[in-house]
Amino acid sequence: DQQVKQNSPSLSVQEGRISILNCDYTNSMFDYFLWYKKYPAEGPTFLISISSIKDKNEDGRFTVFLNKSAKHLSLHIVPSQPGDSAVYFCAASYTGNQFYFGTGTSLTVIP
Amino acid sequence: EAQVTQNPRYLITVTGKKLTVTCSQNMNHEYMSWYRQDPGLGLRQIYYSMNVEVTDKGDVPEGYKVSRKEKRNFPLILESPSPNQTSLYFCASGPGTGDGEQYFGPGTRLTVT
Repeated sequence: DQQVKQNSPSLSVQEGRISILNCDYTNSMFDYFLWYKKYPAEGPTFLISISSIKDKNEDGRFTVFLNKSAKHLSLHIVPSQPGDSAVYFCAASYTGNQFYFGTGTSLTVIP
Repeated sequence: EAQVTQNPRYLITVTGKKLTVTCSQNMNHEYMSWYRQDPGLGLRQIYYSMNVEVTDKGDVPEGYKVSRKEKRNFPLILESPSPNQTSLYFCASGPGTGDGEQYFGPGTRLTVT
């Protein structure tokens, strides 16, 4: 049973606009949430994380929002750039050792 | 250059023939982990290791073995591979600081016929 879900397999956004990627989870024991970005033929690269005790974390153009009551998190990319085109994976962890990943959302930023 | 390396990058083998995929990191990380990526299923954790000689099962450990005899190496062993283990495998390492940040290797594409 998938504990972390990304219900949108793909998303297209115009360059300069906001990209919003969504993720839902089922296990309230998760204490960290992360976003990874993956280009073809490469391993995922860490983008940003958020602790379960926070509701927002920002790093440059990337902001992650956590809504614990809804068991939902989102990644906002503003402004979106063509180089952001990649597959984005949401992940959740408890104990910092066990990780559960979503199925990924393929983002295309159109120049 | 800080990196996680995996070998081989591509492997085609036959059912039942034991194989090992090596993973090495040069960042002195305590935490290492193996994942498999399959279409429609995302990445699933196979095994992880919190330190030398300390390993534990992830979400999908069946059919796999690991060992952590040295801090930098974390090989994945398939004693008797089967076609359902055809997948893209990623090794990762992290400082083990609790926030879950991991550095991934480039992946090993395994085909079992």
